Amino acid sequence: EAQVTQNPRYLITVTGKKLTVTCSQNMNHEYMSWYRQDPGLGLRQIYYSMNVEVTDKGDVPEGYKVSRKEKRNFPLILESPSPNQTSLYFCASSSPNKETQYFGPGTRLLVL
Amino acid sequence: GENVEQHPSTLSVQEGDSAVIKCTYSDSASNYFPWYKQELGKRPQLIIDIRSNVGEKKDQRIAVTLNKTAKHFSLHITETQPEDSAVYFCAASPPYTGFQKLVFGTGTRLLVSP
Repeated sequence: EAQVTQNPRYLITVTGKKLTVTCSQNMNHEYMSWYRQDPGLGLRQIYYSMNVEVTDKGDVPEGYKVSRKEKRNFPLILESPSPNQTSLYFCASSSPNKETQYFGPGTRLLVL
Repeated sequence: GENVEQHPSTLSVQEGDSAVIKCTYSDSASNYFPWYKQELGKRPQLIIDIRSNVGEKKDQRIAVTLNKTAKHFSLHITETQPEDSAVYFCAASPPYTGFQKLVFGTGTRLLVSP
């Protein structure tokens, strides 16, 4: 089944404790993105990647890191999480031939 | 950078009525405008999109129109049904990003009452 998966789906952590949210897709898509969703603010893009080892900043990259070492994986790293990074995070992927971004199921993060 | 404004934030209609959601964008060079639907507790899903070289696109009960001069685009849903109830997001994509950089509006919660 073609899909985008994220792990973990739910995470409670404390300020300053490094964490990684994984994203994997099995559709051989070249493009991948990370978004955060907050009430009243909609979806905001954190980073996107158009190929292995190619990443670009979205609108809210501060406090986040990404890496794209393999085509299928695009992990989101929070080196020192803060409470304002409490949010619902979505990973998405798409292929160069189609603009449609396929979203993962989301990761709900709470930083205390 | 690009900025997208979306109105209204909430919209209530009766089943069978039409619904219109409007978005404006700031970067006249943006060239791709998708609309995503997000049902409660679910992930966003693309429902329709339009490129800047097209003025209108239809897919059954939904249509999108684009006015490049005024820098606004709209989603039109006809003959609304209860299952259309969801949050709808518009987005704009600046050029030279392979349509991958997306700037979203803040969303419209559509409620269709039977």
